[in-house]
Amino acid sequence: ETGVTQSPTHLIKTRGQQVTLRCSSQSGHNTVSWYQQALGQGPQFIFQYYREEENGRGNFPPRFSGLQFPNYSSELNVNALELDDSALYLCASSPGGNQPQHFGDGTRLSIL
Amino acid sequence: AQRVTQPEKLLSVFKGAPVELKCNYSYSGSPELFWYVQYSRQRLQLLLRHISRESIKGFTADLNKGETSFHLKKPFAQEEDSAMYYCALSPLLNQGGKLIFGQGTELSVKP
Repeated sequence: ETGVTQSPTHLIKTRGQQVTLRCSSQSGHNTVSWYQQALGQGPQFIFQYYREEENGRGNFPPRFSGLQFPNYSSELNVNALELDDSALYLCASSPGGNQPQHFGDGTRLSIL
Repeated sequence: AQRVTQPEKLLSVFKGAPVELKCNYSYSGSPELFWYVQYSRQRLQLLLRHISRESIKGFTADLNKGETSFHLKKPFAQEEDSAMYYCALSPLLNQGGKLIFGQGTELSVKP
């Protein structure tokens, strides 16, 4: 059973640029959630996708957007990057229902 | 407001001592509560959830709705328990919804 995989592992961008982060969900999982984890903080919910539709969103501006594909993999896109966007971005997948979420290793994004 | 509070950033104990990691939550409905753990250089993983009432690696947690708490306990700490522990709340019971995390508590078990 392949777990949640995220790419890239590290990324350096400058203010104003755009970035796309990718996530492959665990086999059999149709729900993907994205979280932002700033240094020294717990993960914060960005949004969730279920069967290619956004299914809940946290307190993040519209420049944070996402997609889910028919194979349930997902992308997180962030436009107009700001210094405060520097964080670890975590993807988590689940089979839906009341099943718990399984996390990937994350993508470390640094904004210069 | 939906919130999870872990009052201790760092908890340091000696091997064999009891451990209690505190978690308090704020939510008006019937949440589902979880403990996630992150060992050094590993990904975040589920330790236990309140509805399963299991004991994992000797850890237990009881949901106290009156005190809105979900403290994690272990009677005898081991060095391999050293890790970052996050308490999390899912406000949508049985719907696999978003997780609201606390800030985390780093547990250090000394020999």
